[in-house]
Amino acid sequence: SYELTQPPSVFVSPGQTASITCSGHKLGNNYACWYQQKPGQSPVLVIYKDTKRPSGISERFSGSSSGNTATLTISETQAMDEAHYYCQAWDSNTVLFGGGTKLTVL
Amino acid sequence: EVQLLESGGGLVQPGGSLRLSCAASGFTFSTYAMTWVRQAPGKGLEWVSAISSGANYTYYSDSVKGRFTVSRDNSENTLYLEMNSLRADDTAVYYCAKGFGGLNAFDVWGQGTLVTVSS
Repeated sequence: SYELTQPPSVFVSPGQTASITCSGHKLGNNYACWYQQKPGQSPVLVIYKDTKRPSGISERFSGSSSGNTATLTISETQAMDEAHYYCQAWDSNTVLFGGGTKLTVL
Repeated sequence: EVQLLESGGGLVQPGGSLRLSCAASGFTFSTYAMTWVRQAPGKGLEWVSAISSGANYTYYSDSVKGRFTVSRDNSENTLYLEMNSLRADDTAVYYCAKGFGGLNAFDVWGQGTLVTVSS
């Protein structure tokens, strides 16, 4: 079955740039989006259609896609960015989520 | 304010049934596809089901197909999830979410309702 693969964890120092990848063999044909989820909260959409940012989302969040890999980039990472991040795509009448990446800012 | 409010969660025995509701407000509910997503304790997001804006099309994950039924009442701005033959591994927080560009993304999420399947 089709899966989206993310690294379980990413570590970044405050002020540095964090990158989280999402790979899937059909991603080149489908848009990816990204959600941020903090403990005890509902997910928040931070990137849609690979690169677009919803209103109200910090410009420090950006997305890109190349081949079968989508990437979420967080620039000038702050402590408040520490969270789980999930990629998601829609393919063949199925919504797919990646397994999630825990971003730790230390 | 755009808002989704889930209800109907609770404790149910294995093999039992439960009906979740998701009340929408602040947007034209009838023009958006909707979805249910669940999250088991300490685990990641898992898609459950989705429904088109006019309820013409419904979609299910393999893990719930044949046991769960998604529906909506556009006159009442409410989304439903009927869950039957519940199993322990259905235990999770269930979120409803609003489609953004069809089902390519979801831009509004409810606060979630906890379903616990246990004897």
